[in-house]
Amino acid sequence: SQQGEEDPQALSIQEGENATMNCSYKTSINNLQWYRQNSGRGLVHLILIRSNEREKHSGRLRVTLDTSKKSSSLLITASRAADTASYFCATAGVPADKLIFGTGTRLQVFP
Amino acid sequence: SAVISQKPSRDICQRGTSLTIQCQVDSQVTMMFWYRQQPGQSLTLIATANQGSEATYESGFVIDKFPISRPNLTFSTLTVSNMSPEDSSIYLCSVPHRAFLSGEQFFGPGTRLTVL
Repeated sequence: SQQGEEDPQALSIQEGENATMNCSYKTSINNLQWYRQNSGRGLVHLILIRSNEREKHSGRLRVTLDTSKKSSSLLITASRAADTASYFCATAGVPADKLIFGTGTRLQVFP
Repeated sequence: SAVISQKPSRDICQRGTSLTIQCQVDSQVTMMFWYRQQPGQSLTLIATANQGSEATYESGFVIDKFPISRPNLTFSTLTVSNMSPEDSSIYLCSVPHRAFLSGEQFFGPGTRLTVL
């Protein structure tokens, strides 16, 4: 399987703390994306980082990409209870015509 | 962004029967994707549905089990045939962002299928 690996599988933190999730993948990529899924519902796109980028920010989200290590991390700063969800990384190859999803991290943020 | 709806939102079916899932998009798109998410697992791509041509299936998925229709640029159906309990999953459709070279996708809300 080409599916990426994410760790940790589950993460529990208090509101206000930062949450870091890591993603590793196996093949060359065009870009890497992070998605959020609430309670087994549809996925929401969070952020995209291209293979020639190393870091990207969007609000409380910070994504890094290390193509030499084939890994990425998602940092959520000052977490809120509403951030409780599953987070998936997904890689788009060359050409970027399909996504391969990672195994996901379940984040629980306690108020 | 695209607005995507799926029907049904959930269903409970008996083994051996078939279920057809509908995916409707509020804009015309060339490609639509169908994914399966087994309980507690990540998403796995089943097939890519292009309008006017046969769907392209990923390894491990076959047309006899998951026939797909794509009659126009805003609609697609996925049928789960001869169901078994192992088919219990969430099935999601998605479409690419109009700037498709980015690879970003918009997802429908999913259809939660339980097979008894």
